[in-house]
Amino acid sequence: DVKVTQSSRYLVKRTGEKVFLECVQDMDHENMFWYRQDPGLGLRLIYFSYDVKMKEKGDIPEGYSVSREKKERFSLILESASTNQTSMYLCASSPNRGKNTEAFFGQGTRLTVV
Amino acid sequence: QKEVEQDPGPLSVPEGAIVSLNCTYSNSAFQYFMWYRQYSRKGPELLMYTYSSGNKEDGRFTAQVDKSSKYISLFIRDSQPSDSATYLCAMRGGRRALTFGSGTRLQVQP
Repeated sequence: DVKVTQSSRYLVKRTGEKVFLECVQDMDHENMFWYRQDPGLGLRLIYFSYDVKMKEKGDIPEGYSVSREKKERFSLILESASTNQTSMYLCASSPNRGKNTEAFFGQGTRLTVV
Repeated sequence: QKEVEQDPGPLSVPEGAIVSLNCTYSNSAFQYFMWYRQYSRKGPELLMYTYSSGNKEDGRFTAQVDKSSKYISLFIRDSQPSDSATYLCAMRGGRRALTFGSGTRLQVQP
């Protein structure tokens, strides 16, 4: 089974802190994604990466950056956390092969910024 | 206007009912259509996948895509309390990332 693992289930951080969210996948997938999920807004794409050291902005990249130094690991960085970044963060990965490039999700990290 | 519209619910039905969940979309480039199920405090998991227009059936679940109307549906027959979850439609065109609806919360009452 594909496994996408996020390093923390729950995090509480202070305003202004630098926050790192880590994600690791074990299926050699080319693509990795970071979404945030908020009530009434669904999942919104923050950043994605289609190869090591390659990244593309999603729909809401402001206030975030990412790092992909190894194929299996994709990190989301909040440079200076703010209260409006309190949310559920979901990492996903998908392969390039074939038509059915479904995304597999991690369990999510619920981040609270106080 | 959002690219994908989905009624957030909540939708409450008695056990055994037929459930119909729907999404509309505006981007004609979408070709891959998926339904994800998300239980409370868990990540989404893929339930159904359809490429282009048509129907697909898997057990109690049927996914329908009507590209001419830009409308997709998920039907659940003989609904069970264990089906209580949030259902998210998702779709993709040329971009590798999925675009999601906001999710419909379903409650199946025993």
